[in-house]
Amino acid sequence: EPEVTQTPSHQVTQMGQEVILRCVPISNHLYFYWYRQILGQKVEFLVSFYNNEISEKSEIFDDQFSVERPDGSNFTLKIRSTKLEDSAMYFCASRVEGGKETQYFGPGTRLLVL
Amino acid sequence: GESVGLHLPTLSVQEGDNSIINCAYSNSASDYFIWYKQESGKGPQFIIDIRSNMDKRQGQRVTVLLNKTVKHLSLQIAATQPGDSAVYFCAENMGGSTLGRLYFGRGTQLTVWP
Repeated sequence: EPEVTQTPSHQVTQMGQEVILRCVPISNHLYFYWYRQILGQKVEFLVSFYNNEISEKSEIFDDQFSVERPDGSNFTLKIRSTKLEDSAMYFCASRVEGGKETQYFGPGTRLLVL
Repeated sequence: GESVGLHLPTLSVQEGDNSIINCAYSNSASDYFIWYKQESGKGPQFIIDIRSNMDKRQGQRVTVLLNKTVKHLSLQIAATQPGDSAVYFCAENMGGSTLGRLYFGRGTQLTVWP
């Protein structure tokens, strides 16, 4: 069964450093998402992406964040200058094109900012 | 503010019993709902979804009920097994979100005792 994959599974970085989190969505999916989950809290939407552009972003997704689909398979989230409060699990999700359809989530990247 | 919440943060059941996990939502514009299961250290895993034009949907051992009058969603798990132990989230998609941004509740921790 096709799955969303994410790398790395864990990332430790120093405050102020740039990080890139990578995702490979399910191959026939065209809508892509990033969510995050701070430890013990609910999953929060960051951004949605379709046709090589951002469709919607939350208030969390400020100028320090960017997303890119550099090729036909990868979808990346970049945090330019990490802050302590960026420590969280970051989940990528994807779904097929169309109306109301399920989003399928990857296993996540645990980011720890020191 | 939060538009999705759960009545109980934890639920403990005996193996073989039925489980009911509840979820309240406040946005009457929400038109699509998903239940996810999240095991420790993993991403949300799709269980079942329901559109707002339905009251009930059944899957394998799971049933989702939607009561739009009181804005209530429930997940019923039949013959609960130890492998069902996880955190369960309901998520809603509000009408008008182009790509289906999901809003998650805080989750209910289900523990199944042998």
